[in-house]
Amino acid sequence: NAGVTQTPKFQVLKTGQSMTLQCAQDMNHNSMYWYRQDPGMGLRLIYYSASEGTTDKGEVPNGYNVSRLNKREFSLRLESAAPSQTSVYFCASSEPGQGSPEAFFGQGTRLTVV
Amino acid sequence: AQKITQTQPGMFVQEKEAVTLDCTYDTSDQSYGLFWYKQPSSGEMIFLIYQGSYDEQNATEGRYSLNFQKARKSANLVISASQLGDSAMYFCAMRDIEGGSEKLVFGKGTKLTVNP
Repeated sequence: NAGVTQTPKFQVLKTGQSMTLQCAQDMNHNSMYWYRQDPGMGLRLIYYSASEGTTDKGEVPNGYNVSRLNKREFSLRLESAAPSQTSVYFCASSEPGQGSPEAFFGQGTRLTVV
Repeated sequence: AQKITQTQPGMFVQEKEAVTLDCTYDTSDQSYGLFWYKQPSSGEMIFLIYQGSYDEQNATEGRYSLNFQKARKSANLVISASQLGDSAMYFCAMRDIEGGSEKLVFGKGTKLTVNP
């Protein structure tokens, strides 16, 4: 049971380059989330998706786009990377109505923009 | 408006003692959930404990308990008999509904250091 899988684990980009962070879960969860973690700032919500076909902006959506491709997959795209987007990115999924209410997290992607 | 507030950037505790990590929250919803996660230096997010807004009893999971005071909107984590392995970042989080969608928001975290 893989849980939440994020790829890649590490990435270095040059300013202006684009990339997509991939996230997939195998727990049949409806809700999926993307966070960024910066020192002293905790986890800040970028985008979330309550179900397949829906996405909503979180606290810090600027510079990012997302796609909920299907129930399993939720990708995060940086169209033109900036040094301010250097961060650790986490994907998570949850199913609030199930017996386990917690969100399950991927291992994180450490992104450096130079 | 900040929905989750953790006012202790860092806490220190002696091994085998108990420690309380503070968390206050803000919501106008009647139905919500509160969570605590641990993040060791290796970086993974580990779920510790959950409290639903309608739960009358405080949640407990082994050495972890959640001191839920609904009227004060606080959800403090109590760790009993601290161990060296408890040294980590601890995050409080809340799930509520905004715009018809459930979302999960986190506080800034508390770094706990357990001293031998």
